[in-house]
Amino acid sequence: SQQGEEDPQALSIQEGENATMNCSYKTSINNLQWYRQNSGRGLVHLILIRSNEREKHSGRLRVTLDTSKKSSSLLITASRAADTASYFCATDGYGGSQGNLIFGKGTKLSVKP
Amino acid sequence: ETGVTQTPRHLVMGMTNKKSLKCEQHLGHNAMYWYKQSAKKPLELMFVYNFKEQTENNSVPSRFSPECPNSSHLFLHLHTLQPEDSALYLCASSLDSTPDEQFFGPGTRLTVL
Repeated sequence: SQQGEEDPQALSIQEGENATMNCSYKTSINNLQWYRQNSGRGLVHLILIRSNEREKHSGRLRVTLDTSKKSSSLLITASRAADTASYFCATDGYGGSQGNLIFGKGTKLSVKP
Repeated sequence: ETGVTQTPRHLVMGMTNKKSLKCEQHLGHNAMYWYKQSAKKPLELMFVYNFKEQTENNSVPSRFSPECPNSSHLFLHLHTLQPEDSALYLCASSLDSTPDEQFFGPGTRLTVL
């Protein structure tokens, strides 16, 4: 069954604005990851946050994790047209088989120049 | 470039054809994965190999047959597919089978006529 679920399904913003995407999951996790996918291409790993971490930064990316609410958010600051892509969260889940990531359906981000 | 290559990038086949997808990773990883990505559905894990041994078969129909001759190469043999098997097939690798960062190839876009 689906573990992670992103919200919103689609987001359209102007260049320079911030974009926030959310992910909710169902079971306990060891870590949560965010991936990016350009149209028709493979996924690219963005950031991993472990269950004992609350916030993590990487360049213009900021990820938060709230294990009590089973949710995470990905913030992209000062967005650029090149950030246009789909963004997925992935969790492992204590209940899942070792090494298996469970992906959500993704948020499709469109950044207009 | 993620260090994971897939060939072919596009494949059109009839339902009676036999074809194979190839994945190669140049990262020295020990775990490799096949995923299926269909429109408007979450990424679906199909198979997991760890040190050349299959550790996961996610209830995949037998018309999909994986092969992992060594830790660097992964194949997906296809025969008597159905039109609903049309999708983007993604290969990924990771250092080992613990649920940390996975590196994805660009995918093979498969169309079954």
